[in-house]
Amino acid sequence: QSVLTQPPSVSAAPGQKVTISCSGSSSNIGNNYVSWYQQLPGTAPKLLIYDNNKRPSGIPDRFSGSRSGTSATLGITGLQTGDEADYYCGTWDSSLSAGEVFGGGTKLTVL
Amino acid sequence: EVQLVQSGAEVKKPGESLKISCKGSGYSFTSYWIGWVRQMPGKGLEWMGIIYPGDSDTRYSPSFQGQVTISIDRSISTAYLQWSSLKASDTAMYYCARRRDGYNFRYFDLWGRGTLVTVSS
Repeated sequence: QSVLTQPPSVSAAPGQKVTISCSGSSSNIGNNYVSWYQQLPGTAPKLLIYDNNKRPSGIPDRFSGSRSGTSATLGITGLQTGDEADYYCGTWDSSLSAGEVFGGGTKLTVL
Repeated sequence: EVQLVQSGAEVKKPGESLKISCKGSGYSFTSYWIGWVRQMPGKGLEWMGIIYPGDSDTRYSPSFQGQVTISIDRSISTAYLQWSSLKASDTAMYYCARRRDGYNFRYFDLWGRGTLVTVSS
């Protein structure tokens, strides 16, 4: 059971838009910035979004992030088959068991 | 090139010990925390712990406290994750990652390729 809750899977057609949600609490998302990671099949995770909505150099603007209250959302527009991957949200949890926390991951299928 | 290079895959028997490594290069190794993340087969990411190479300050996830040891060798810019007695349930991919952090933000901006650990009798 992950501290952050994500839908197990989402799907959409090429060219369409998809959103992935990440739900937490006041001890994590509610008071700390959220990051998102993309894990293509058989590869290591890669930073996609940091500080809720910033993109590292090289990440296309088709990827966007937002945070509201204790939830965060990753948006992907103009879907491509190469976007098929697992996506994870992450943040810091400042409760008694403080540390990094991740969502359970969402598998994106581009139909 | 800025990178984290992890040691190769390992196959071990239950009860054996193991130490895997993560070597940083292309940046100031002592200036950024290095974390370890477990990914069991077909499962998600789990944070295990983190170490600051500058002073060896180490923090563990409650789930992994006492199960593994994280250490550093600053002289060769290398972080380690070790087990004293492996179990079959330790079979997983292990990633090291560099953490950027501030007052209320933390994120892993650089990842190693992972070390696959297989524990089987």
